[in-house]
Order: sequence, then C-alpha cells, then structure tokens
Amino acid sequence: EAQVTQNPRYLITVTGKKLTVTCSQNMNHEYMSWYRQDPGLGLRQIYYSMNVEVTDKGDVPEGYKVSRKEKRNFPLILESPSPNQTSLYFCASSRLAGGNYEQYFGPGTRLTVT
Amino acid sequence: QKEVEQNSGPLSVPEGAIASLNCTYSDRGSQSFFWYRQYSGKSPELIMFIYSNGDKEDGRFTAQLNKASQYVSLLIRDSQPSDSATYLCAVIGNRDDKIIFGKGTRLHILP
Repeated sequence: EAQVTQNPRYLITVTGKKLTVTCSQNMNHEYMSWYRQDPGLGLRQIYYSMNVEVTDKGDVPEGYKVSRKEKRNFPLILESPSPNQTSLYFCASSRLAGGNYEQYFGPGTRLTVT
Repeated sequence: QKEVEQNSGPLSVPEGAIASLNCTYSDRGSQSFFWYRQYSGKSPELIMFIYSNGDKEDGRFTAQLNKASQYVSLLIRDSQPSDSATYLCAVIGNRDDKIIFGKGTRLHILP
C-alpha cells in the first residue's frame, strides 16, 4: 500500500526546544516536500527535495531545516521553534511518470509552540 | 511573487448539477497545474494534473487549462454530497520546482 507516514501526529512544545518531524514514503518517489497549512493563508511549501542530497527552499523556509540522506526519508527540523511556527504540517512525496503525476500526502502533524 | 488566486467561496451547487471551480495564476511561464480535494481535517488528495492547453477528463472531473489567459478550471459533473470539500489549485513555475497553492474554494453540494 502506497503510504507517507509522519511522526509525531501531534506535538506541543515550548519556544526554543529543538524538534524533528519525521517523514517516510514507501513508493521510491524522487520528489518530497514539506508544507504548512494555516487558516486564511492556505497551504505553503516550506522545502522540497528532488532527490537524495538535493534540497531547495520553498515559499516559507525561514526557521526550518531539512535533510535528504536517504530516498525514503525527509525529516523537517525546527532548531529553535517559535509560536509563529504553530501550524498543521504535511509531508508529501511524488513523481512524474509517463505524463501522469502521482502524489501522496502524509496524515499531517499538528504542532503547537507555546 | 508568484500568485495563485481562487474564489474562497463557499460555492453552493445542487446535487446532480455541474460544479465549476476557477483558478488564475500570475506566472506566465508556469508549466504544471494541479487540483486537490481536501476534506475537513484530512490531508489534500491530488485529483487532477494537467500541463497541456485544453481539457483533461477523469471520470466526473474535467480540468481545463488556458495558458494564454492564465487560468485553469475544474468541472465536477453530476455533483454528489461527497464532493463537498475544499478544492485547492496549485501551480509549478518554469524556473524552479516550487509548488504554489491557491487558498482554496469551499464547495458545498446541496442534497
């Protein structure tokens, strides 16, 4: 079964305490990305990766880091979280093959920073 | 700054009718266009991908792309109450592989 998993699903933390949200996919997709979704602002891309060791900034990369050491994993790191990073986060993986685009989102991680 | 615009709605459509959702984008060089459906509290789900001018049909869904006018639309035929959701339009530009989303249109199918 095609799957994108994220952990944790819910997290409450305090300002400045480093955290990592993991993302893993089992479809051997090259492209992976992170998004945040906020009321009134919609879905915004944070970082994306075209393949192993290749990452690029999306629209709102400030305060986030990512790494892509293996094809299946794409963790999101918040070195010093702040309250304005309270949001719903989605990881996704995708590929373009034969004119068709295949994409799956993870279930989301709801992060609260106090 | 690249922009993707959608009417936030809600758009109310009677069951069985055609729902028409529109999206405009600012980057004339955009190459790939997406429509997603997102139920409340759930993850987005890709329902249509289009990159060539014209229409693309998949079941009850038709995506229409007009690059000259910089709009992409989604038609849902024979609308069902289960189609009630927020529909997100997204675009990938020409110069990079960033995906830019619109803020979504809430669709409500009236039984």
